[in-house]
Amino acid sequence: DTGVSQDPRHKITKRGQNVTFRCDPISEHNRLYWYRQTLGQGPEFLTYFQNEAQLEKSRLLSDRFSAERPKGSFSTLEIQRTEQGDSAMYLCASSPWEVSYGYTFGSGTRLTVV
Amino acid sequence: KQEVTQIPAALSVPEGENLVLNCSFTDSAIYNLQWFRQDPGKGLTSLLLIQSSQREQTSGRLNASLDKSSGRSTLYIAASQPGDSATYLCAVPTQGGSEKLVFGKGMKLTVNP
Repeated sequence: DTGVSQDPRHKITKRGQNVTFRCDPISEHNRLYWYRQTLGQGPEFLTYFQNEAQLEKSRLLSDRFSAERPKGSFSTLEIQRTEQGDSAMYLCASSPWEVSYGYTFGSGTRLTVV
Repeated sequence: KQEVTQIPAALSVPEGENLVLNCSFTDSAIYNLQWFRQDPGKGLTSLLLIQSSQREQTSGRLNASLDKSSGRSTLYIAASQPGDSATYLCAVPTQGGSEKLVFGKGMKLTVNP
């Protein structure tokens, strides 16, 4: 297993377009998290999946954002009608059920909305 | 609500110095604390994971300590090198529910040759 993979690495889109990001967690990890990070800030929590169930969403996750994790494997994060304020690094992390083993992050997807 | 603070926000030092990076958290009821490194435009790389029952954790030139009662952790970097230049973040998981990580804003380290 090569860790957490995210695709694409970079995405430039025009305002108003829809974008979708993909995250492939470590295969035996049943927890999956999405975070957003803007320049000079630490990552901020967006949403959490336990297997295929989305159990927690941040207030940051407006109705333009949707996330899925079908079959408890990979996850997608979609942003509809993108705005310039959506420009950020989107990070995915996974963890085993026992969090004492720590969290593993992917390389992130850098979104630029022009 | 858990809050994590890292001070200072940035540090610039000459090569070879021993460094101490500070992290404080408001809720001492934590499972563990994790230190990460982030290079510009990249994701997070885990450096050290220290459990709530541990006082220290070491990896190479890095040593992390944890004092739960005072809500503090330090990351010690020995004999700093230009390759250590990066942003260092600490994070703790919330208790119950998602156990999501709460991060500090990070400390940007520059080691000058």
